[in-house]
Amino acid sequence: TQLLEQSPQFLSIQEGENLTVYCNSSSVFSSLQWYRQEPGEGPVLLVTVVTGGEVKKLKRLTFQFGDARKDSSLHITAAQPGDTGLYLCAGAGARTDSWGKLQFGAGTQVVVTP
Amino acid sequence: DARVTQTPRDKVTEMGQEVTMRCQPILGHNTVFWYRQTMMQGLELLAYFRNRAPLDDSGMPKDRFSAEMPDATLATLKIQPSEPRDSAVYFCASGLGDRGRYGYTFGSGTRLTVV
Repeated sequence: TQLLEQSPQFLSIQEGENLTVYCNSSSVFSSLQWYRQEPGEGPVLLVTVVTGGEVKKLKRLTFQFGDARKDSSLHITAAQPGDTGLYLCAGAGARTDSWGKLQFGAGTQVVVTP
Repeated sequence: DARVTQTPRDKVTEMGQEVTMRCQPILGHNTVFWYRQTMMQGLELLAYFRNRAPLDDSGMPKDRFSAEMPDATLATLKIQPSEPRDSAVYFCASGLGDRGRYGYTFGSGTRLTVV
């Protein structure tokens, strides 16, 4: 059982459409991170959210951290083919025995076709 | 840009052989993670270190895997003896361990194939 549940597992959309990826857990995290991974490479950090209720925007990407610091979402506006990739959420432990321990969800494969 | 360097990039070995993977974290980073990625399991945390001290290696098969940081510039992951089920991509990541607020930088991985 994954500590972090991502949905959907796979998303295929046309260029210009919007999409949202969800990351949910029953655990509280000290921070929630989003990464994008392309074939043959390691994950690349997109954003870190730390405060409950926090919203961060990076160009067409909007990230939100839940008020209780247990869940997060990634929204992409007007998706482009360059947004294609595996999107991973990762939570850093908030308890003393897991401080900073980073665990990943299973990932959402996004395909944007022209 | 600073990067995490992993060697080798690819490794093919026979079952039963010892495998050593190396990682050079970014200078100044005090937290280092080792992950294994497969299609079935995704990214699994194997071990992590802070200031070179192992904090958690509960994700690692203890009988055959070992992880160390002999110094601040080198982290190693060893498998002895290797088995076909160990075939996967192994990633190292480093960062500043302040609740993960700064995120982590991953290497390009070592693709291990055990035949």
